Amino acid sequence: ETGVTQTPRHLVMGMTNKKSLKCEQHLGHNAMYWYKQSAKKPLELMFVYNFKEQTENNSVPSRFSPECPNSSHLFLHLHTLQPEDSALYLCASSRESLIAGGLSSEQFFGPGTRLTVL
Amino acid sequence: GQNIDQPTEMTATEGAIVQINCTYQTSGFNGLFWYQQHAGEAPTFLSYNVLDGLEEKGRFSSFLSLSKGYSYLLLKELQMKDSASYLCAVLSNMDSNYQLIWGAGTKLIIKP
Repeated sequence: ETGVTQTPRHLVMGMTNKKSLKCEQHLGHNAMYWYKQSAKKPLELMFVYNFKEQTENNSVPSRFSPECPNSSHLFLHLHTLQPEDSALYLCASSRESLIAGGLSSEQFFGPGTRLTVL
Repeated sequence: GQNIDQPTEMTATEGAIVQINCTYQTSGFNGLFWYQQHAGEAPTFLSYNVLDGLEEKGRFSSFLSLSKGYSYLLLKELQMKDSASYLCAVLSNMDSNYQLIWGAGTKLIIKP
């Protein structure tokens, strides 16, 4: 248990569905991240939030829409996804944002949501 | 371009020592992380190096050579539970624009 929880753990959706992934951290951290992890590929950083403000969007398609209502919660809204979007989506948090210069900040990862798009 | 290379897979024997290498080519350097990820689980932090040298933490040690763009993770007295993927990540920066770049991970298989 890392202090970062994600729901659901597994999700199967059609290309026309709309769903949301939820992440919650109980560590009092200021930065939260969404990653995509595909088999045998490096982790892809999708979005970074620092003090609820989005600071990074790594050319992610608009069918992925993040939301950070407060420092403890992060959502990833999904709509009209493609089969190639099937992957493990990991949420992480850190005391300070690595992207904002929190250089040594250890990231704590949630268990991930295994997403399958049919 | 920015790139991190790690071996895809390694095999070692219980009780032995294994060294997992990571080489990087990045714009600027602000530290290198190692994470462990068991199958189906979240990555967990192992180490952070920003200066040359070896940092020891129990059975695990991490080494960094800035001039060579090279790091390794050394695991001693291997146990079956060390079977996992080991991820190398570099925090790079260019003009104060930081990026966290990840390697594809090294899958370590421990045999009895």
